[in-house]
Amino acid sequence: DQQVKQNSPSLSVQEGRISILNCDYTNSMFDYFLWYKKYPAEGPTFLISISSIKDKNEDGRFTVFLNKSAKHLSLHIVPSQPGDSAVYFCAAAVSGGYNKLIFGAGTRLAVHP
Amino acid sequence: DVKVTQSSRYLVKRTGEKVFLECVQDMDHENMFWYRQDPGLGLRLIYFSYDVKMKEKGDIPEGYSVSREKKERFSLILESASTNQTSMYLCASRPGQGFYGYTFGSGTRLTVV
Repeated sequence: DQQVKQNSPSLSVQEGRISILNCDYTNSMFDYFLWYKKYPAEGPTFLISISSIKDKNEDGRFTVFLNKSAKHLSLHIVPSQPGDSAVYFCAAAVSGGYNKLIFGAGTRLAVHP
Repeated sequence: DVKVTQSSRYLVKRTGEKVFLECVQDMDHENMFWYRQDPGLGLRLIYFSYDVKMKEKGDIPEGYSVSREKKERFSLILESASTNQTSMYLCASRPGQGFYGYTFGSGTRLTVV
């Protein structure tokens, strides 16, 4: 049973518009959430994170929103650029212990001109 | 530039063969991880190591073992390869116990025929 779910396998957005990638989780013990970006033939790279004490974190064009009551987080990219085309993975962890990351299935974002 | 290097980009092995996937990091990181990436399932943790000669099972350890004789090297071993182990394998390393600083290798695409 997947504890972190990304229900949209793909998303297509026009350049300059907003991209919204969604992620749901089932484990209420998760208290740290991260987004990773992966280009073909490369390993995933860290993009942005949020702890459960916040409901929003912003870094340039990227903003992550956390709704703890709904066990839902989303990544907003504004404005979207063709170079953002990649697979985006949501990951979650329970702090303490080994801090293992549990990843979702990923969403493939295509930004077209 | 810091790196996690996986020895092979593509591998084709026969059912029943013993397979070694090698990973080397040059960042003096304590923690190293092996994930496999499959469509619709995302990244799933196979094994991780938090110190030399120490290992912990991840979420899907069956059919795999690992070896960490030196801090910089973490090997994943498929004792008797099977077709359901055909996958993309990603190695990662991380300093200390925090959530940040995961560095992934570029991956090894293993096909078992």
